[in-house]
Amino acid sequence: DAKTTQPNSMESNEEEPVHLPCNHSTISGTDYIHWYRQLPSQGPEYVIHGLTSNVNNRMASLAIAEDRKSSTLILHRATLRDAAVYYCILRDGRVGADGLTFGKGTHLIIQP
Amino acid sequence: EPEVTQTPSHQVTQMGQEVILRCVPISNHLYFYWYRQILGQKVEFLVSFYNNEISEKSEIFDDQFSVERPDGSNFTLKIRSTKLEDSAMYFCASSTGPHYGYTFGSGTRLTVV
Repeated sequence: DAKTTQPNSMESNEEEPVHLPCNHSTISGTDYIHWYRQLPSQGPEYVIHGLTSNVNNRMASLAIAEDRKSSTLILHRATLRDAAVYYCILRDGRVGADGLTFGKGTHLIIQP
Repeated sequence: EPEVTQTPSHQVTQMGQEVILRCVPISNHLYFYWYRQILGQKVEFLVSFYNNEISEKSEIFDDQFSVERPDGSNFTLKIRSTKLEDSAMYFCASSTGPHYGYTFGSGTRLTVV
């Protein structure tokens, strides 16, 4: 899997938007951008994924740069429950059953 | 919302013993995975399984490990002779295909003593 770079940690206030950046300058044309999060003592949880266009779902929005070399996960209104480690992962869409390569992710701290 | 179910939630075993970790993936999913996470470390891919065979495995998944889908609903990970360093959280995951997200279970904490 192509490599991604994320800040080690970020801090935000409750009820404010959060923008989590991810750089993936070596992304290939068939790589999907996936975001997962892991709450304390839980398994990873799927958040969102996309290929080229921006994506929205009930959890978050994904903004993908035009050149696809970076993306931003947007939590529109953070709650204390959003405190977690967020992972940005590239996954080759041509391959059906490959494993995800998790990095260290961004530890998101939410202040009340 | 459909869930991936893992049992047991915690297992303690003696070094050298065999353990079987069990998972029930989401019923219409076709791709199945095992990951592990040693305390304080990254989530690591172990193996993927599709169409009743292993599709991909990592270097961690050596001859001590095996996977099986015995009855069309369960998906198991067997560790033949456990070592102290096998102590970790083991997560099962499933997905419908390469263009979709994975659903992870809540994990089995394996402690080898």
